[in-house]
Amino acid sequence: ETGVTQSPTHLIKTRGQQVTLRCSSQSGHNTVSWYQQALGQGPQFIFQYYREEENGRGNFPPRFSGLQFPNYSSELNVNALELDDSALYLCASSYRQGNEQFFGPGTRLTVL
Amino acid sequence: RKEVEQDPGPFNVPEGATVAFNCTYSNSASQSFFWYRQDCRKEPKLLMSVYSSGNEDGRFTAQLNRASQYISLLIRDSKLSDSATYLCVVDSGTYKYIFGTGTRLKVLA
Repeated sequence: ETGVTQSPTHLIKTRGQQVTLRCSSQSGHNTVSWYQQALGQGPQFIFQYYREEENGRGNFPPRFSGLQFPNYSSELNVNALELDDSALYLCASSYRQGNEQFFGPGTRLTVL
Repeated sequence: RKEVEQDPGPFNVPEGATVAFNCTYSNSASQSFFWYRQDCRKEPKLLMSVYSSGNEDGRFTAQLNRASQYISLLIRDSKLSDSATYLCVVDSGTYKYIFGTGTRLKVLA
């Protein structure tokens, strides 16, 4: 059974640029959630996708957007990057909504 | 009031000690509760789910108190390898998971 994978592992961007992060969910999981974790903080919920639809969103502006594909993999897109967007971005998948989530290793984004 | 609150610690305990963490939550409609462990610069890993009847896995015991709206994690016979940050997670009632800021545990030799 393959676990959750994310790419890339590290990324450096400049303010104003756009970034796309990718996540492959664990085999058999149809729900994917994205989190932002700043240093010293717990992960903050960005949004969740279930069967290709966004069905839950945290307090993040619209420049944070996402997609889920028919194979349940997912993308997180962030436009107009700001310095405060520097963080570890985590993807988590679960068998269904409300179940335990399993995390990928994360993408560490640095915005200069 | 934060939706999920944890004492950030750090909790410094000697090997073999018993240590307990609490986590309070504000949404009485929450149905799912979990404890995760996170090592430095790594992803959170599921430690255990928390059921209404409590849950035990080896040296780890989790409890839920709905009346007072908190969950707890008890670690018995602490090992050096237990040193990590422990995150409690509560669902908001709408499939949105809220993480606490985490409690740092350091087990000392």
